[in-house]
Order: sequence, then C-alpha cells, then structure tokens
Amino acid sequence: DQQVKQNSPSLSVQEGRISILNCDYTNSMFDYFLWYKKYPAEGPTFLISISSIKDKNEDGRFTVFLNKSAKHLSLHIVPSQPGDSAVYFCAASGVGNQGGKLIFGQGTELSVKP
Amino acid sequence: ETGVTQTPRHLVMGMTNKKSLKCEQHLGHNAMYWYKQSAKKPLELMFVYNFKEQTENNSVPSRFSPECPNSSHLFLHLHTLQPEDSALYLCASSQDEGNSPLHFGNGTRLTVT
Repeated sequence: DQQVKQNSPSLSVQEGRISILNCDYTNSMFDYFLWYKKYPAEGPTFLISISSIKDKNEDGRFTVFLNKSAKHLSLHIVPSQPGDSAVYFCAASGVGNQGGKLIFGQGTELSVKP
Repeated sequence: ETGVTQTPRHLVMGMTNKKSLKCEQHLGHNAMYWYKQSAKKPLELMFVYNFKEQTENNSVPSRFSPECPNSSHLFLHLHTLQPEDSALYLCASSQDEGNSPLHFGNGTRLTVT
C-alpha cells in the first residue's frame, strides 16, 4: 500500500515555461510535506517544504501547493531552466515525532529542454 | 568538509563477504538514518538513530546491522547479502527526529554478485 504516489514517472518541459509536478497521498494523518531533487550519482537535496496549516509556500522559482481535502500537493517551477532537469521526489510525514520517517513517492523525472 | 559524506561510493561484494558502509555528518545533527533505493522504487527507510540510540528498525533483515558510535557517525555492516540487496544505500541526517528536513549523502551503490 503506497501512501505517497507520484503518478507521472516523467515530464518534459520547454525552458522558460512552467513545470508542474504532482503528488497524491492517502494518509490523512500526514502533516508535513517536502520536495527533494536528485541528480544522477548524487543524494536527494531538500528543495522546499510545507506544513498542513498552510496551503502554499514559495521560495524563489519554486512554489508548493497543498490541497488537504484532495490529499494532493504540487510543485511549480517558474520559469523552468535546463539545470532543473532531475528526479523530483515528494515525501510526507505524520503527526508528532515522525519527521525523519519520511514516506517517499517514486519520483518524477523532469527534463527541461533548451 | 561539510554535509553528509558516505564511503565507499561504489561497492561490489560476493554473497559470502562482510563489508561495511560508512557515513559521517558535519552538520551537528542529532538524528541519522539509513535509506535504501532500489531501481524504480521509492526510498525505503531502514534504520533511525536519535542521539546514538536506535529508534526505528523498519523490519530490516538481520544481514544488515547498523552501528552508531556517536551522533556524527553511522555504519551499516553487511553480511551474507543476496543479489536482490543490490541498491543505492543513502545515509541522511536531520537536526532532530521531528519535522526537520533530511540532508542526504551521495549514497553507496552496492552490487551483490
């Protein structure tokens, strides 16, 4: 039973356009959500997070949206750059002392074409 | 040197070998983790240590044996592994075990022959 799902294994976007990566979760007890970016031969790098008390968090070109009723979050990258090409993982954790016990999605490979 | 450092980066071992993976964090964090990433699968949590004490063992087979001598160092001892244990093993640390982001190392690519 996969609690965090990224249903699109890959996404291709033109440079300068918006990239939208989606993530769905099933556990209503999740209250903290994160996005990680991973380049080949490197470990995942923390990108942006959001807690369940918010519905939007923005950091430069990156914005995460949370829709709790739909159990859905998305990552928007505007404008997309070729250096954004990587695998993006969403992750979630539950109430209280479980922040490190993140549940990860399968990842979406983003390709930004020049 | 900063961040989370893992050695070796690549490891090939036979099923009868004993080897160890090493992780060191220079971030002053209190919690350390081992994750496993198999091809086309989500990252799977294996072990969690908080202030050197193991707080999570996610039903990992005993052929994987973690060791955390202090808050900066974490080892994963490997013994009589199976070919299906071939994967990327990632170490991570966080400030505490609560809602703080994980900082990952670059992983050890393990191949069991």
